[in-house]
Amino acid sequence: DAEITQSPRHKITETGRQVTLACHQTWNHNNMFWYRQDLGHGLRLIHYSYGVQDTNKGEVSDGYSVSRSNTEDLPLTLESAASSQTSVYFCASSERTSGSYEQYFGPGTRLTVT
Amino acid sequence: AQSVAQPEDQVNVAEGNPLTVKCTYSVSGNPYLFWYVQYPNRGLQFLLKYITGDNLVKGSYGFEAEFNKSQTSFHLKKPSALVSDSALYFCAVRGLNAGNMLTFGGGTRLMVKP
Repeated sequence: DAEITQSPRHKITETGRQVTLACHQTWNHNNMFWYRQDLGHGLRLIHYSYGVQDTNKGEVSDGYSVSRSNTEDLPLTLESAASSQTSVYFCASSERTSGSYEQYFGPGTRLTVT
Repeated sequence: AQSVAQPEDQVNVAEGNPLTVKCTYSVSGNPYLFWYVQYPNRGLQFLLKYITGDNLVKGSYGFEAEFNKSQTSFHLKKPSALVSDSALYFCAVRGLNAGNMLTFGGGTRLMVKP
């Protein structure tokens, strides 16, 4: 069955370190998204991609970057981790041409920045 | 800009009673509306969607939602709640010119007590 996987599931890092969170989907979807989930804020969009070599900033993109070198993967990089980036991160994907727009989510990565 | 409001942080209901989780939205054009459920330490799971047609949409696990254009609402309902329905529920919307992006509400925690 098709799925989205995220790794690691849990990560503890120190302030100032670079961190990369992996997202891999086997749906063959063109659209991929990164969100963060925080109490009181729901889900907020960080970056998204509509295809290979395409990346776009979302609502809360400062301090984050993504790259899309193939259809399956959209890694999220925290350039210099800050305590404010302690959160749960979700990756999602959706079809480009179906016209239905529902997104399918990975299991999440819990990141703690100390 | 598009937005979603879930006015209740938490909804409490007794097992066997009907449940309603509220959602109102603001978009340009005709909305695409979605409900997702999140169980502890899991990603979001798609429940149901409204694109066009019948205002009452049926989805997974016995849930349904009613689209009301005049009240710009899309409330989630279930005739008889189960303890296993206890989870976090998110409403999401896509409006005109939003591309493939969804905007999520802040989430409502549903607690079903035996």
